[in-house]
Amino acid sequence: DAGVTQSPTHLIKTRGQQVTLRCSPKSGHDTVSWYQQALGQGPQFIFQYYEEEERQRGNFPDRFSGHQFPNYSSELNVNALLLGDSALYLCASSQVLAGGGIEQFFGPGTRLTVL
Amino acid sequence: LAKTTQPISMDSYEGQEVNITCSHNNIATNDYITWYQQFPSQGPRFIIQGYKTKVTNEVASLFIPADRKSSTLSLPRVSLSDTAVYYCLVRAGSARQLTFGSGTQLTVLP
Repeated sequence: DAGVTQSPTHLIKTRGQQVTLRCSPKSGHDTVSWYQQALGQGPQFIFQYYEEEERQRGNFPDRFSGHQFPNYSSELNVNALLLGDSALYLCASSQVLAGGGIEQFFGPGTRLTVL
Repeated sequence: LAKTTQPISMDSYEGQEVNITCSHNNIATNDYITWYQQFPSQGPRFIIQGYKTKVTNEVASLFIPADRKSSTLSLPRVSLSDTAVYYCLVRAGSARQLTFGSGTQLTVLP
């Protein structure tokens, strides 16, 4: 099991462009969440997908959108990129455990640089 | 989601036991406590999760007192490679959203 995988590893874009990041969840996980982590900060929740629908959303503008596919993989799209969108974008997949807790694992992240 | 408070940084020496305490005064009845480790430019790595008393796995122990208003992550015999940021998080049993604080920067010295 490869765990959570993300692509690409690194990405450089210019202001105003659009970007799509991809995530494949850990086998058996049905929920995917996306986080943005600026340098020196903790990850900030963007949104979460379950059953191909956005279930929860953090405090991010509509420029940030996503999608979940039937195989549970997910995409994060960011339109009209700003310099402040430069960050490490993390994908996490999860499943509810029989005992009531949540098993959640993170991918290695995609480093996005906006010039 | 309950807010957590943990020390900004800690120093330790190789071979010592490290205890990082997190306070979560407004933890709810169905909240679980989860700890993650993160190295620079990598995704957070799950360490341990617990609900009450003590949980132990192959890398750490988690101690949770009866009132559950705090928890302590215990790392036995740390090595230089344990230098990382450690995050304490709490959330409701069915909620999958994590709210990260600033974490604790642990530095292990030779």
